[in-house]
Amino acid sequence: KAGVTQTPRYLIKTRGQQVTLSCSPISGHRSVSWYQQTPGQGLQFLFEYFSETQRNKGNFPGRFSGRQFSNSRSEMNVSTLELGDSALYLCASSPPAGRGTDTQYFGPGTRLTVL
Amino acid sequence: AQSVTQLDSQVPVFEEAPVELRCNYSSSVSVYLFWYVQYPNQGLQLLLKYLSGSTLVKGINGFEAEFNKSQTSFHLRKPSVHISDTAEYFCAVSDSAGGSYIPTFGRGTSLIVHP
Repeated sequence: KAGVTQTPRYLIKTRGQQVTLSCSPISGHRSVSWYQQTPGQGLQFLFEYFSETQRNKGNFPGRFSGRQFSNSRSEMNVSTLELGDSALYLCASSPPAGRGTDTQYFGPGTRLTVL
Repeated sequence: AQSVTQLDSQVPVFEEAPVELRCNYSSSVSVYLFWYVQYPNQGLQLLLKYLSGSTLVKGINGFEAEFNKSQTSFHLRKPSVHISDTAEYFCAVSDSAGGSYIPTFGRGTSLIVHP
């Protein structure tokens, strides 16, 4: 099976712009989660989608949004970019087997740099 | 909400020496514990996980971890490290309390193996 893929791998944007990142989960996985990884804050949970519905949400401002399509592919959008949004954005998919027991399968991430 | 503490941000060690990476979590009725590894420019991948049963869990690449409920710890060990083990290691915990089962990640420990 192909792994989790994320596009693009690298992005450079300027403050005030918006950006859309894409994630294709492993075939058959219906849960997709997004994380922001920075040296200072570590891995922070953004949101999780399951069957096109946002099921869980982390503590991020409304500028961060996402959606999931019927084929389980997911996108996240960041509007009005700030310098502090520079980070590695990781997508993870999982085959929901039971609450809390699921292994997450991560993509390689999208490195976003905001200038 | 769960919290995870990885006590060491960086652990330098010589090749073929043993290593222990420490992880403590906040107490909960029922927890599931994970260790993930992140190699440079890659996403995270699962090393091992504890769901129930034997408190000693064996994972990939010769790693193992021991669940200690009384000390709320889940330390990762390897008896003899290799240069290729140089990576970032993340401890994560999830539970079913409150209906949210999204894993909480620690800040990570950078394992640096010297020749």
